[in-house]
Amino acid sequence: ELKVEQNPLFLSMQEGKNYTIYCNYSTTSDRLYWYRQDPGKSLESLFVLLSNGAVKQEGRLMASLDTKARLSTLHITAAVHDLSATYFCAVSGYSTLTFGKGTMLLVSP
Amino acid sequence: DTEVTQTPKHLVMGMTNKKSLKCEQHMGHRAMYWYKQKAKKPPELMFVYSYEKLSINESVPSRFSPECPNSSLLNLHLHALQPEDSALYLCASSRETGNTEAFFGQGTRLTVV
Repeated sequence: ELKVEQNPLFLSMQEGKNYTIYCNYSTTSDRLYWYRQDPGKSLESLFVLLSNGAVKQEGRLMASLDTKARLSTLHITAAVHDLSATYFCAVSGYSTLTFGKGTMLLVSP
Repeated sequence: DTEVTQTPKHLVMGMTNKKSLKCEQHMGHRAMYWYKQKAKKPPELMFVYSYEKLSINESVPSRFSPECPNSSLLNLHLHALQPEDSALYLCASSRETGNTEAFFGQGTRLTVV
């Protein structure tokens, strides 16, 4: 059974600071997804990571994938309040996605 | 067009009501999914349709009944729900099941009273 662990589950940070969210998964997979969810809203796709060593950046967010370590990271650079949301990683299994529990990010001035 | 459209956006229903949630995509995707999401939790898979056939039912109670009339449409029929079924219901689609990107609809916020 594929298991996905995210940490931390809650992250409170100040604007301008950097931080990393970690996503570990238990079985071999070569596709990993990061989603953002605002309160009461649906999931917004942020990154699709398709291969070992993949790195993608969009604005203040950068995601990477190490399939050998079964680890993905989502790095936040110089956080701003607009990044406050819940971030989920999800890993492709045989037929479906398995989600991590999510990281609730709160960025304050 | 990378859009998955869900209707209605909000639904309040009594425990004796029958209602349906609808999901539509025109991306030519052959896999469609229903997820249920409670507050502060990740989405939980309910059903998977592949080429209009039900391929996965994650032991969902029979008061939830999915239907895939054609490759673009997915319905979720609701009957005799319980208050604990109140949640955000998300539809998603992907080109195929397995290793293909899933696109999510905006969700239906369901409240059972």
